[in-house]
Amino acid sequence: GALVYQYPRRTICKSGTSMRMECQAVGFQATSVAWYRQSPQKTFELIALSTVNSAIKYEQNFTQEKFPISHPNLSFSSMTVLNAYLEDRGLYLCGASPWGNQDTQYFGPGTRLLVL
Amino acid sequence: TQTVSQSDAHVTVFEGDSVELRCNYSYGGSIYLSWYIQHHGHGLQFLLKYYSGNPVVQGVNGFEAEFSKSDSSFHLRKASVHWSDSAVYFCAVSPFTNTGKLTFGDGTVLTVKP
Repeated sequence: GALVYQYPRRTICKSGTSMRMECQAVGFQATSVAWYRQSPQKTFELIALSTVNSAIKYEQNFTQEKFPISHPNLSFSSMTVLNAYLEDRGLYLCGASPWGNQDTQYFGPGTRLLVL
Repeated sequence: TQTVSQSDAHVTVFEGDSVELRCNYSYGGSIYLSWYIQHHGHGLQFLLKYYSGNPVVQGVNGFEAEFSKSDSSFHLRKASVHWSDSAVYFCAVSPFTNTGKLTFGDGTVLTVKP
């Protein structure tokens, strides 16, 4: 079956430091990966959509300078939260879509980021 | 720009009751509609999706949703809920031309009492 792993599952970082999270697709080729953030008591916001061999598209209010993303192959993507502050805390999900089935996203369990 | 509205922030029912969770959307083009479930402390699990054809789609665990173009709605239903259905339910839309870009509603917290 198609599975998506994310690690770490939970992390704590000091305010002003950076934190990298990873997303691994197993059982399918992830031609596109979307990164979302769920802030406390809120819904999921799309940060950026990364498609292999295409430029990464960031949504309004999110930038490459703050959330650099790497999507080097069809099974792996990573995103870093640079200079994390309190407002960056939340659950970060990656959703991966397989080749030929772009209307389906398989989600990982998320990385929960706490900022002290 | 697509928007998704889930009018009920909280819904409470008893085990065995039927339930309907409402979702309304706005978008000018062709879209995919989907529902996801988030159990406490976990990520998202896919329930079902709709693009075209039969407006009633069946999902996992006895859930179904009905698309209505005239009402711009995609309400989720279950005939008989179980306590394990307690979770947060999110409705989402994505444009047909860019299906990797999901826009989520604010979510509905479903509480099923024994």
